[in-house]
Amino acid sequence: QQQVKQSPQSLIVQKGGIPIINCAYENTAFDYFPWYQQFPGKGPALLIAIRPDVSEKKEGRFTISFNKSAKQFSLHIMDSQPGDSATYFCAASMNTGFQKLVFGTGTRLLVSP
Amino acid sequence: KAGVTQTPRYLIKTRGQQVTLSCSPISGHRSVSWYQQTPGQGLQFLFEYFSETQRNKGNFPGRFSGRQFSNSRSEMNVSTLELGDSALYLCASKIQPTPTDTQYFGPGTRLTVL
Repeated sequence: QQQVKQSPQSLIVQKGGIPIINCAYENTAFDYFPWYQQFPGKGPALLIAIRPDVSEKKEGRFTISFNKSAKQFSLHIMDSQPGDSATYFCAASMNTGFQKLVFGTGTRLLVSP
Repeated sequence: KAGVTQTPRYLIKTRGQQVTLSCSPISGHRSVSWYQQTPGQGLQFLFEYFSETQRNKGNFPGRFSGRQFSNSRSEMNVSTLELGDSALYLCASKIQPTPTDTQYFGPGTRLTVL
């Protein structure tokens, strides 16, 4: 019940395309859902996060869509660029006390020129 | 402001040995978490320290331990190394141990167990 399932494992899109990465969770107590971006040789960096009281959040070309009833959330990258090529991780946690982030297994995105 | 630093960046050990990894958080950050990253498993939470006390622990055997010092710097130790311990070990820091507080990751220590 503590798992976050992420798909696809890898994704290749052409420049300008809109890659979509999906995540699903079981624990209904989760109420904080961040996405992290990791480049080779670097640690993950927070990209964007959402709380379940909103269904969508945009930051620049990155959008999170959240479906509370389906217990799913997804990341969309608009007008993707080769510089977006990285590994993306979704995560979830409860927002009370000392709670750990539970991460998905990651999606390796390649944006071809 | 300097980011999270981890030393060493690369480490090669043999089975049965022990290893200590070090993490210096961003100045002013008092919460330090450790993660193990492996292909296919993603990031697995090891533990979190705040004010020199372990506040949360993941599902890892007792061979994995850690500590935090009064200056918030943290170390993790793995004893009796196994081949399966080969991974990237990431340290992350944040100001407070609040789940929604932004967590900043270091570049990691790549441990190879032969």
